[in-house]
Amino acid sequence: EPEVTQTPSHQVTQMGQEVILRCVPISNHLYFYWYRQILGQKVEFLVSFYNNEISEKSEIFDDQFSVERPDGSNFTLKIRSTKLEDSAMYFCASRSDRSTDTQYFGPGTRLTVL
Amino acid sequence: TQLLEQSPQFLSIQEGENLTVYCNSSSVFSSLQWYRQEPGEGPVLLVTVVTGGEVKKLKRLTFQFGDARKDSSLHITAAQPGDTGLYLCAGALYNFNKFYFGSGTKLNVKP
Repeated sequence: EPEVTQTPSHQVTQMGQEVILRCVPISNHLYFYWYRQILGQKVEFLVSFYNNEISEKSEIFDDQFSVERPDGSNFTLKIRSTKLEDSAMYFCASRSDRSTDTQYFGPGTRLTVL
Repeated sequence: TQLLEQSPQFLSIQEGENLTVYCNSSSVFSSLQWYRQEPGEGPVLLVTVVTGGEVKKLKRLTFQFGDARKDSSLHITAAQPGDTGLYLCAGALYNFNKFYFGSGTKLNVKP
């Protein structure tokens, strides 16, 4: 069964460093999402992406964040200058097309900012 | 501001008992999903409800979407230890570009 994959599973970085979190959505899916979940808190929407542009973003998704689909398979989240409070699980999700609202989540990347 | 309120936050019950988890909002959702999340993993979709009043069954799990599409419930019959986990509801308001998650219900089923 096709699934969303994410790399790395765990990323440790120093405050102020840039990180890139990678996701490979299910092939032939058209809509892509990033969410984060701070330990013990709820899943929060960050951004959605369709047709090579951002569809919607939350107030969390400020100028330090960016997303890209550099080729036909990867979907990346870049955090430019990490802060301690960026430590969280980051989940990627994909959805096939307009006719369905079913998202499939990846296993997540645990980001630890020291 | 919590768009989706889930209750209870924690639930610890004995194997064989029934339980209901609630997901409430003052907003109308075009669809609502229920997920289950294990520690250190991504949410796994259980069901999507779309129509007001809709009831869906998944083995011992029954999901209901409120008539006004503002609330939903998850009922588990004869809970088993394997049902232990975090149950999340999530909704889309008018399009599927943004999903709001509830804070989750942590269920523990004791053998």
